[in-house]
Amino acid sequence: DIQMTQSPSSLSASVGDRVTITCRASQDIRSDLDWFQQKPGKAPKRLIFGASSLQSGVPSRFSGSGSGTDFTLTISSLQPEDFATYYCLQYSGYLWTFGQGTKVEIK
Amino acid sequence: QVQLVQSGGGWVKPGGSLRLSCAASGVTLSDYYMSWIRQAPGKGLEWVSYIRSAGTTTYYADSVEGRFTISRDNAKNSLHLQMNSLRVEDTAVYYCANFEHWGQGTLVTVSS
Repeated sequence: DIQMTQSPSSLSASVGDRVTITCRASQDIRSDLDWFQQKPGKAPKRLIFGASSLQSGVPSRFSGSGSGTDFTLTISSLQPEDFATYYCLQYSGYLWTFGQGTKVEIK
Repeated sequence: QVQLVQSGGGWVKPGGSLRLSCAASGVTLSDYYMSWIRQAPGKGLEWVSYIRSAGTTTYYADSVEGRFTISRDNAKNSLHLQMNSLRVEDTAVYYCANFEHWGQGTLVTVSS
């Protein structure tokens, strides 16, 4: 099975900061990776699909990069509504796995 | 407007069974890989199962293999998850999704 290691598990940041979250796969997953944002009590929302494609309606301050085993989600200028938990999901192969999540909190 | 509306869930004793449903509007479920994902209280997301868009090929996480069955009713444009031999550790909010669109989630509580 493919394991996803997401880091950091949490971070504190201020409005306007640039934030970077990473996911590392235990084997090559090409670009078969999505990023999601989840707020408390709500269903997740997809931000990025195929590692780097922005989901329709998602602000352009969100971007994704990477391929193979190393992936990054970047928020270029953190906004108040971005404080949430973020997850990566790999869908290479038959069994899929989420990263452990990154909670983005207000500094 | 796409909507995935979930039903089912609730409380069940260990060893019991439950069936979750996910009814779609604004989208044809058979056009997509459809998944069930769960989230235990205070924990992260866990992929549970998916069914391919073509045919009925299905896959399951090791934690539910042999106990859960995913299925799709194309005529009713709905997705189902039959959960048998439930364990305390299956307690979670369960979501249906094609990852672009998600259901609202339904709580399954397994407790004696």
